[in-house]
Amino acid sequence: DVKVTQSSRYLVKRTGEKVFLECVQDMDHENMFWYRQDPGLGLRLIYFSYDVKMKEKGDIPEGYSVSREKKERFSLILESASTNQTSMYLCASSRLAGEVETQYFGPGTRLLVL
Amino acid sequence: GQNIDQPTEMTATEGAIVQINCTYQTSGFNGLFWYQQHAGEAPTFLSYNVLDGLEEKGRFSSFLSRSKGYSYLLLKELQMKDSASYLCAVEDSNYQLIWGAGTKLIIKP
Repeated sequence: DVKVTQSSRYLVKRTGEKVFLECVQDMDHENMFWYRQDPGLGLRLIYFSYDVKMKEKGDIPEGYSVSREKKERFSLILESASTNQTSMYLCASSRLAGEVETQYFGPGTRLLVL
Repeated sequence: GQNIDQPTEMTATEGAIVQINCTYQTSGFNGLFWYQQHAGEAPTFLSYNVLDGLEEKGRFSSFLSRSKGYSYLLLKELQMKDSASYLCAVEDSNYQLIWGAGTKLIIKP
């Protein structure tokens, strides 16, 4: 079974803090994704990566950055957290880049920015 | 623009059948996914359709009509554990998933 883990289930941070969300997958997947999920909206793609050290902007990259130094690990960074970044953050991975592949999700991190 | 529409909420009775519809307008089409998401948990894969027609998988079936930009998820013999949100997502020509907002399904005894 594919396993995608995220470093925290719940986080509370203050405005202006730097926030790191980490995601690890154990199935040697090429693709990794960061989404945010807000009530009444579909999952929105923040960034994705199809290989180590590669990253691509999704639909809402502003205020976020990412890092993929190792194939299994994909980190999302909020350089200076703001209240409008309060959300559920979901990491996902899929096997191959440029193919139609099922995405496997981590349990999510619920972030509250005060 | 790209758009996925599905009802916000549906209610059904335990043991009954429910159909959750999804319509889409996307830049290209490489397939349509249905995911299930229980409250506070991660989405999990249910089905994938790329050709027109019905795909059956136990109590769950998914239908696709590419010409109509339409899909539905059919759940039979509903159980209380089927109470969840059901997410429709289309893979566009860039192999990116475009997600609907999800349909919250409430099952009543």
